Amino acid sequence: EVQLVESGGGLVKPGGSLRLSCAASGFTFSSYSMNWVRQAPGKGLEWVSSISSSSSYIYYADSVKGRFTISRDNAKNSLYLQMNSLRAEDTAVYYCARANWESRSFDYWGQGTLVTVSS
Amino acid sequence: QSALTQPASVSGSPGQSITISCTGTSSDVGGYNYVSWYQQHPGKAPKLMIYEVSNRPSGVSNRFSGSKSGNTASLTISGLQAEDEADYYCSSYTSSSTWVFGGGTKLTVL
Repeated sequence: EVQLVESGGGLVKPGGSLRLSCAASGFTFSSYSMNWVRQAPGKGLEWVSSISSSSSYIYYADSVKGRFTISRDNAKNSLYLQMNSLRAEDTAVYYCARANWESRSFDYWGQGTLVTVSS
Repeated sequence: QSALTQPASVSGSPGQSITISCTGTSSDVGGYNYVSWYQQHPGKAPKLMIYEVSNRPSGVSNRFSGSKSGNTASLTISGLQAEDEADYYCSSYTSSSTWVFGGGTKLTVL
């Protein structure tokens, strides 16, 4: 069974940093592109970042470019999101999602971790 | 990276059919057959319902169908059931090798 479990969320002050993790199991992690998608309270989904299976290709939404860094450790079956210079508008539930590259769809999602940026 | 355009809400009675539209540009919806649809119940993670415009993952009811014409994709749910009440999001791969989501549509089953 595919499982994605996010962790690392919490309360952080504006300008602060946080590192999110996503532990994957039930599939060959090193064969899949992985993504972060976020959802602000009461709002819609927003794609944040993607990383290819071997970390060769990395992309970011304009809203986080230069502040967030996505990475992965295939030996540990883990995905990460380093978030720096956090702003109030980064407050959201952050989901880890597996991408099916053939269809460019997100076929499995974690339950999400809440990040709150507030003073 | 402007969001795809979806109606904020749609509604229908049990047994009826509804259609949710999703309008983008030639750089996303119109340029690729990489449109997918997600269902999200309150407090839950999104669930993939349609991929590559019109394909259903294993386990998704055949009451859900998708289509596309030009820059607009559509999700149709036939034989509405109470359990279909949820938020629905479209998504498309883009020419920038990124993804974009729609603003979401709240489906109410009357």
